[in-house]
Amino acid sequence: GAVVSQHPSRVICKSGTSVKIECRSLDFQATTMFWYRQFPKQSLMLMATSNEGSKATYEQGVEKDKFLINHASLTLSTLTVTSAHPEDSSFYICSAGGTGGNYGYTFGSGTRLTVV
Amino acid sequence: GQSLEQPSEVTAVEGAIVQINCTYQTSGFYGLSWYQQHDGGAPTFLSYNGLDGLEETGRFSSFLSRSDSYGYLLLQELQMKDSASYFCAVDSSYKLIFGSGTRLLVRP
Repeated sequence: GAVVSQHPSRVICKSGTSVKIECRSLDFQATTMFWYRQFPKQSLMLMATSNEGSKATYEQGVEKDKFLINHASLTLSTLTVTSAHPEDSSFYICSAGGTGGNYGYTFGSGTRLTVV
Repeated sequence: GQSLEQPSEVTAVEGAIVQINCTYQTSGFYGLSWYQQHDGGAPTFLSYNGLDGLEETGRFSSFLSRSDSYGYLLLQELQMKDSASYFCAVDSSYKLIFGSGTRLLVRP
């Protein structure tokens, strides 16, 4: 089945630095990738939708200059958290859309970001 | 706005049956999915309804009524490993919007 590989699984960074999270579709081409953020015991909140070769579409309230998304190829999308602050500490999850079959969206394993 | 409402917590006994409801209000609707998430893990797909009715996948079944903007997930023969969070999600305008999540606790 479809597999999305997400790295790193955990990252700790200092306040003010930037962190890049990668998502790769291993056995299929993902024209669309979704990025979610999840705070403890809360739901997954969609941050942005990225389409290969075009600018990402951000959800209302998400700062596009802070969360930079690049989807330069059909198998790789990246999310860079710039000038991270402790309030950005969260679980970030990517998902490839419409992989067919069971109509499900395939999720990466998530990245636990802790900003100290 | 868009909203998906679920009960926050449900407790059930091992071997029992439990139903988790989901009501939704979204700007577009192409289908309702259900996902399971264990603490610290990523969501895993359970079931999908694009049309009204019941879909059965092993111990899990899901139901949809588009006219009522309502669906539910039915878990049968509960096992301890089913303790997790369950999310309904609407496929809306080519993106997936998640519900608030239901934490299921299965007791021996």
